[in-house]
Parts: sequence; C-alpha cells; structure tokens
Amino acid sequence: AQTVTQSQPEMSVQEAETVTLSCTYDTSENNYYLFWYKQPPSRQMILVIRQEAYKQQNATENRFSVNFQKAAKSFSLKISDSQLGDTAMYFCALMDSNYQLIWGAGTKLIIKP
Amino acid sequence: NAGVTQTPKFRVLKTGQSMTLLCAQDMNHEYMYWYRQDPGMGLRLIHYSVGEGTTAKGEVPDGYNVSRLKKQNFLLGLESAAPSQTSVYFCASSHRVINTEAFFGQGTRLTVV
Repeated sequence: AQTVTQSQPEMSVQEAETVTLSCTYDTSENNYYLFWYKQPPSRQMILVIRQEAYKQQNATENRFSVNFQKAAKSFSLKISDSQLGDTAMYFCALMDSNYQLIWGAGTKLIIKP
Repeated sequence: NAGVTQTPKFRVLKTGQSMTLLCAQDMNHEYMYWYRQDPGMGLRLIHYSVGEGTTAKGEVPDGYNVSRLKKQNFLLGLESAAPSQTSVYFCASSHRVINTEAFFGQGTRLTVV
C-alpha cells in the first residue's frame, strides 16, 4: 500500500525566516507525482508546488522549493522569507498511476510576526 | 469561472437521515473525487470517477454512494447517516493528464447527531 507520512504535526517560525516541512512516502511505482498543498483557515485547498518523479531537478515556485530525494523517498518543502500569509496547514500528496491522491496527515505551520 | 462548487456548505443531520452532496465543475475535467477530512488524518478518498457514467471506490467507501450521470456533476449520497460520518467533505476535479492540479471545492461541514 502506498503511504505518505508527515512527521511534524506543527511548526512555528518568525516572519522572514526559512522553514522546511518534511514528507516521506512509500510506493512501488516508478512513475508518480508529488504535490504540496496549502490549506489556510478559509479551508480552501491550494496547490503550492508539484514534482514529477522522473525529473531529477527540484521544482521551484518563487519562495517555495522542494528537495526531492527519490531513492530515500523524501519530498521536503522549503519556504524562504516566510510571510504571515503562509500560516496554514500544509499537506504532502502522492498521485499514482490510478490517478488517486494519497495524502499525508498535514503539518500546521504558524508564522509569527 | 466558478471552478468547483459544492452544495451545501453546512449541514446537520440526525442519525439515520439521508442526504446528497452535490459537486459541480465547469472546467470540463474528466476526473472527480470525493474526500473526507478529519482532524489529524489528512484527506481520505471516498469514491472517485474517471469519466461520465463511471465510479470507483476509494479508501473509505463504506456508507457512501456516488453517481456521475453528467460529466460536470458528481454526487455523494449518505443513505443512513451515522455520527462517524461527521466530517468535512471535499470534492475535487482534475484534467485527464496525471500531473495537473486538482481543483477543490470549498468543502461541506457535515455534523451527524
């Protein structure tokens, strides 16, 4: 069975600091996709960044970047220059060839002013 | 462009009552999903559909039924609600290509008393 594990239930950092959220996963497939989603208090799910497993280059979207370690099955999210608006739940997700998204339990990130 | 719309947004049911949650998307997406979100557990897939007239079971299908009679609509039914079905329900849709973003509705908070 495929699993996604987020080992940090909650994290907090000061505004402008850099923070890294951890995610590990398990799958027997070679072709899959990984995602980080953000869920602010509004409850809306928002895509932050995605990574194709066949690409070695780490994905980057402005202040957000990932460290994708395929052999270790690790997919961490780094947020640089954190802002108050980054406060949210962050979910790591794996999509397999059956088009199902497998979700981690989430990390609650609090950015302090 | 409305995206993914869920109705209703809130509902309180008595044990044993039935109800239907409606999900509508206007992006011509092939894939649609129903998830439930419970504290500390991330999102769990209930049922999904890869096209009009087709549905499949996800991780936690028991107690739920779905229908996809029209491409743009995906209905989730609870025939006899139980307190264990108290949760926040999310509908999502995505295009056929596997690595595209899943778009989410705003969620439905359901309480079964």
